[in-house]
Amino acid sequence: LAKTTQPISMDSYEGQEVNITCSHNNIATNDYITWYQQFPSQGPRFIIQGYKTKVTNEVASLFIPADRKSSTLSLPRVSLSDTAVYYCLVGDGGGYQKVTFGTGTKLQVIP
Amino acid sequence: NAGVTQTPKFQVLKTGQSMTLQCAQDMNHEYMSWYRQDPGMGLRLIHYSVGAGITDQGEVPNGYNVSRSTTEDFPLRLLSAAPSQTSVYFCASSYRYRGDGYTFGSGTRLTVV
Repeated sequence: LAKTTQPISMDSYEGQEVNITCSHNNIATNDYITWYQQFPSQGPRFIIQGYKTKVTNEVASLFIPADRKSSTLSLPRVSLSDTAVYYCLVGDGGGYQKVTFGTGTKLQVIP
Repeated sequence: NAGVTQTPKFQVLKTGQSMTLQCAQDMNHEYMSWYRQDPGMGLRLIHYSVGAGITDQGEVPNGYNVSRSTTEDFPLRLLSAAPSQTSVYFCASSYRYRGDGYTFGSGTRLTVV
């Protein structure tokens, strides 16, 4: 089971781009990288998933280098409502059989 | 399409009592799982299931039982509640091989006194 390492917390001003990096040195060949967002008193919410290179959706971008040992979640022009905990997960793409979330990165957006 | 429904939302138990946390999904997901989240911590996997009739332990299974008799339901049973089981419990489900990730329920906040 691939272990991930993320910064514990980050601060950013409104309107800035935020990049959160996740390290996953022992990622397996068939593992995907998935990011989740969690607001207080709510369950985590799927943000984005990728395997290699770059993936973009309406919410975020995910950058994965060729060696896939790390990944970066990019949130463009954050607002106060982006204040949340962000989790990086590594697993086999869909129904992970045994996945742990770790402690995530607490992003605080400052006005 | 309700997604993942957890009941109850809040519960207070006395030490030694038993109870069942309910989880139901209407998306025909093969995979379901239970997590607990303690203050300031990430989610820890309790039990999971990859289909009806198949369950397995996560990283913190002690004190909890699960069964999966149907695709839709995955109840979590606390056998004899202890204060250490005070936590927020989340149920999640997903397809086995699709890039949509997990869908989580809204959680059950359990206090054991």
